[in-house]
Amino acid sequence: NAGVTQTPKFRVLKTGQSMTLLCAQDMNHEYMYWYRQDPGMGLRLIHYSVGEGTTAKGEVPDGYNVSRLKKQNFLLGLESAAPSQTSVYFCASSYGGPRAEYFGPGTRLTVT
Amino acid sequence: GDSVTQMEGPVTLSEEAFLTINCTYTATGYPSLFWYVQYPGEGLQLLLKATKADDKGSNKGFEATYRKETTSFHLEKGSVQVSDSAVYFCALRVTGNQFYFGTGTSLTVIP
Repeated sequence: NAGVTQTPKFRVLKTGQSMTLLCAQDMNHEYMYWYRQDPGMGLRLIHYSVGEGTTAKGEVPDGYNVSRLKKQNFLLGLESAAPSQTSVYFCASSYGGPRAEYFGPGTRLTVT
Repeated sequence: GDSVTQMEGPVTLSEEAFLTINCTYTATGYPSLFWYVQYPGEGLQLLLKATKADDKGSNKGFEATYRKETTSFHLEKGSVQVSDSAVYFCALRVTGNQFYFGTGTSLTVIP
């Protein structure tokens, strides 16, 4: 079991460039999440998915899009990166309900 | 709305000292409560959890008791080690899809 994996681990973008972050889980979890972590602000939910083919907005969805075409994968897209999107991005998955989430190792993104 | 407030850091302790990191919550309904730990350069790992009032979660010498009357879930450890240096996050989930995380408390343990 690899758990939750994220690709890439690091990335530097220029303002206006686009990119996609990939999250994969092999635990057959229904729920998947994308968070961003910024100093002093904890984790903030960007988007989440409660099953294959579904997506929903979290607390800070603007500037991001997501897709869940396969149950094991959850993609986070930045169409036109901005310096305010410099952050560490974490993917997580769970069985849903009041149960723990399992986190990936994170992607550190810098937008210059 | 639902939220978590945890003690601001950073916290610096000597090895073998007693640790308390305070966490209080606001929630509609009956939340499950969690503590996560994040070591440098890594993702969050579940440390312990409690799913109903008066439950005590414990792991690796850490404990936290779900106190409904004080809406608290304070993290404690009797004797910290250098290897416990990390950032600790309190979190809650009510019935629904979202976790609410505290802002994190950085702990440094010095030999």
